[in-house]
Amino acid sequence: SQELEQSPQSLIVQEGKNLTINCTSSKTLYGLYWYKQKYGEGLIFLMMLQKGGEEKSHEKITAKLDEKKQQSSLHITASQPSHAGIYLCGADIPEQVNRDDKIIFGKGTRLHILP
Amino acid sequence: DADVTQTPRNRITKTGKRIMLECSQTKGHDRMYWYRQDPGLGLRLIYYSFDVKDINKGEISDGYSVSRQAQAKFSLSLESAIPNQTALYFCATSRGGTQYFGPGTRLLVL
Repeated sequence: SQELEQSPQSLIVQEGKNLTINCTSSKTLYGLYWYKQKYGEGLIFLMMLQKGGEEKSHEKITAKLDEKKQQSSLHITASQPSHAGIYLCGADIPEQVNRDDKIIFGKGTRLHILP
Repeated sequence: DADVTQTPRNRITKTGKRIMLECSQTKGHDRMYWYRQDPGLGLRLIYYSFDVKDINKGEISDGYSVSRQAQAKFSLSLESAIPNQTALYFCATSRGGTQYFGPGTRLLVL
């Protein structure tokens, strides 16, 4: 079965610094989603990547999907306290693509921003 | 108003009690999902529904049941709650691909 591994599990950075979170799949990714969760709250959809080499940005957050479609990275530039939270990647399950939209999730990366 | 709402937001119950968590959506999506989130385990799928007449088990459905009362409503029941069902529960909806999540229900089973 497909698994998603996120690294690091936890990250503490000084405000203003850049950071990167990685999501690696054991199988080819057909759809890769990034979500942000504030501690104890719901998930907020950030962006979705489908094509190898694709890159999307939203404000200061950029996500890329590598050419082989087995790894995605999320990069935050000039981090702010509002970026703190848990970042989860999710992936379409290959055998379920176009059938039932099931997504598997990584275990998340906890991001803390120090003022 | 939020597109996906969950009630209650927090609940404390005792072992053996039956409890229902409710989810409503105004997005007009056919597909709805229930997940639980546990520290260190991430999100795990409990049940999902394509439409009112189509309900499917996820990876951890034991001890849970669901009801899709209408396109907009999907309820999760714990028939006889046990302490290891203490978790954060999320409802989600989708039309195709991207899933949109509710704010979550924090459940504590004593």
